[in-house]
Amino acid sequence: ILNVEQSPQSLHVQEGDSTNFTCSFPSSNFYALHWYRWETAKSPEALFVMTLNGDEKKKGRISATLNTKEGYSYLYIKGSQPEDSATYLCAYMDSNYQLIWGAGTKLIIKP
Amino acid sequence: KAGVTQTPRYLIKTRGQQVTLSCSPISGHRSVSWYQQTPGQGLQFLFEYFSETQRNKGNFPGRFSGRQFSNSRSEMNVSTLELGDSALYLCASSMSPSDTEAFFGQGTRLTVV
Repeated sequence: ILNVEQSPQSLHVQEGDSTNFTCSFPSSNFYALHWYRWETAKSPEALFVMTLNGDEKKKGRISATLNTKEGYSYLYIKGSQPEDSATYLCAYMDSNYQLIWGAGTKLIIKP
Repeated sequence: KAGVTQTPRYLIKTRGQQVTLSCSPISGHRSVSWYQQTPGQGLQFLFEYFSETQRNKGNFPGRFSGRQFSNSRSEMNVSTLELGDSALYLCASSMSPSDTEAFFGQGTRLTVV
């Protein structure tokens, strides 16, 4: 059974602080690693897709890194803002293009 | 362009009934996946369709079924509903299974009473 683990499960961060969280995935049959942001009452939206070991992606204050050999990815948010409050999901895509999702990290930014 | 459309948005059914949910993908997208999300759980994969064929199926009982039409619209059906089937059902579309970005609908919130 393949598992994707995300930690922590939830996180409270003061506005302006930086934070990061982890996604662990199987290191075998790797094709891609996805990060999505899911705001309440909206649909999950893609943040990043990473395919190569050592990939780093950045979008504004949010960035992500990928280590396929050891099976982990970090998502970083710099200078958290209230609009960053959401659940952040990661998903591992294997070589059969099947996605396996983590349970998410719920991020709450305190003003 | 229009996004992924799921209907209905909300649904209340009683135990033992059956339900059909609909998903219209983004125009040009031929791959549709269905997920179940319950509180505290990640997205649990139900099935994936591509060009009217089921490519993958998750670990759900046979009461859960789906299909895809020639226009890529997809339906999922749950028969003999149980209380534990109460969940948010999401569908996602992409151009093809190997496409690395999927676009989600807003989901159907099913409540079984």
